[in-house]
Amino acid sequence: DQQVKQNSPSLSVQEGRISILNCDYTNSMFDYFLWYKKYPAEGPTFLISISSIKDKNEDGRFTVFLNKSAKHLSLHIVPSQPGDSAVYFCAASYYGGATNKLIFGTGTLLAVQP
Amino acid sequence: ETGVTQTPRHLVMGMTNKKSLKCEQHLGHNAMYWYKQSAKKPLELMFVYNFKEQTENNSVPSRFSPECPNSSHLFLHLHTLQPEDSALYLCASSQGLAATTDTQYFGPGTRLTVL
Repeated sequence: DQQVKQNSPSLSVQEGRISILNCDYTNSMFDYFLWYKKYPAEGPTFLISISSIKDKNEDGRFTVFLNKSAKHLSLHIVPSQPGDSAVYFCAASYYGGATNKLIFGTGTLLAVQP
Repeated sequence: ETGVTQTPRHLVMGMTNKKSLKCEQHLGHNAMYWYKQSAKKPLELMFVYNFKEQTENNSVPSRFSPECPNSSHLFLHLHTLQPEDSALYLCASSQGLAATTDTQYFGPGTRLTVL
């Protein structure tokens, strides 16, 4: 059973508008959440993160919101740019054993139209 | 070379073959990871090494055999694989094992096809 879910496999947005990518999780033990971006033929790269003690973290055009009661987080990109077109992965972390594990969602393909 | 490199980028092998995937990180990190991404599935953690010692084996079948000779190199030895093992295999590294401070940096992956 998937603990981190990204229910929208794809999203198309016009350049300059807001992109909102959503992620839901089931495990209340998760205490840290991350977003990674992946371009074709490249590995995922870290984008932004948020601790479970916060409800918002902002970095330039990117903002992540966390709603713990709903077990939901979202990534807002504003304004969206064509270079933002990529697959976005949501990931969650909890301390398990000797390693802080990352549990990933299946990803959302964002297409920003010029 | 910078960052995390993986070779080969593409690999096709038969079920009776033995092959190895190589990962090298040029970031001075101490932890290295193998992930598997099958079609339409999330990235799944396979193995974690910290200072060359394996700290995590996520119930991976023994036909996948990792090796970490030093903190910069990680191998995944493959033998008698099944077609369902076809996937993108990603290597990552991080300074340490704390998710909140030790960002994982990924390589570009090896696309493996098992015939």
